[in-house]
Amino acid sequence: KQEVTQIPAALSVPEGENLVLNCSFTDSAIYNLQWFRQDPGKGLTSLLLIQSSQREQTSGRLNASLDKSSGRSTLYIAASQPGDSATYLCAVRQDTNAGKSTFGDGTTLTVKP
Amino acid sequence: EAGVVQSPRYKIIEKKQPVAFWCNPISGHNTLYWYRQNLGQGPELLIRYENEEAVDDSQLPKDRFSAERLKGVDSTLKIQPAELGDSAVYLCASSLAANTGELFFGEGSRLTVL
Repeated sequence: KQEVTQIPAALSVPEGENLVLNCSFTDSAIYNLQWFRQDPGKGLTSLLLIQSSQREQTSGRLNASLDKSSGRSTLYIAASQPGDSATYLCAVRQDTNAGKSTFGDGTTLTVKP
Repeated sequence: EAGVVQSPRYKIIEKKQPVAFWCNPISGHNTLYWYRQNLGQGPELLIRYENEEAVDDSQLPKDRFSAERLKGVDSTLKIQPAELGDSAVYLCASSLAANTGELFFGEGSRLTVL
């Protein structure tokens, strides 16, 4: 059974800092990994999708990497802004079991002005 | 292009009452998912549809939960009777294909059972 862990559960940084969020998974037989952002009381917004054959994806100030063999992904946020404050979740999709996705519990990020 | 649409956004009911949630996926997305998210946790899959067929409902508590996706487009999730432990956010998501597609979520329906 796939298990997805996100550490730390919460992170507070001053505005302008670069930061890294971590996602680890126990079963490396994955199809893809997706990072989401969730604002309070809202649904999940897709940020980046990395296919299992890829090593990283970039969108603006966000860069996500994937190391299947070690069961790890990181989300790098450059020059953080208060508007980046949210909960960030990763989801790992299996390449078996008809592509079932398993989510981590998220890291809640606070960027202080 | 419209995203995944869910209603209602909020629902407060007494325990033992029924409740229903509705979801309209992104146009053309044949795979539809219902997830439940408890406070401080990631979403957990309840049921997945491929067109109108429920292909994974192993996590759906079938004694009180039911779902349908008539005509392979919009879907309804029902709880009858609701219990206190059902309080959560019910999220609907869709993707173009089950094993390749990016997941797109709706805003969710927050249920409070008193």
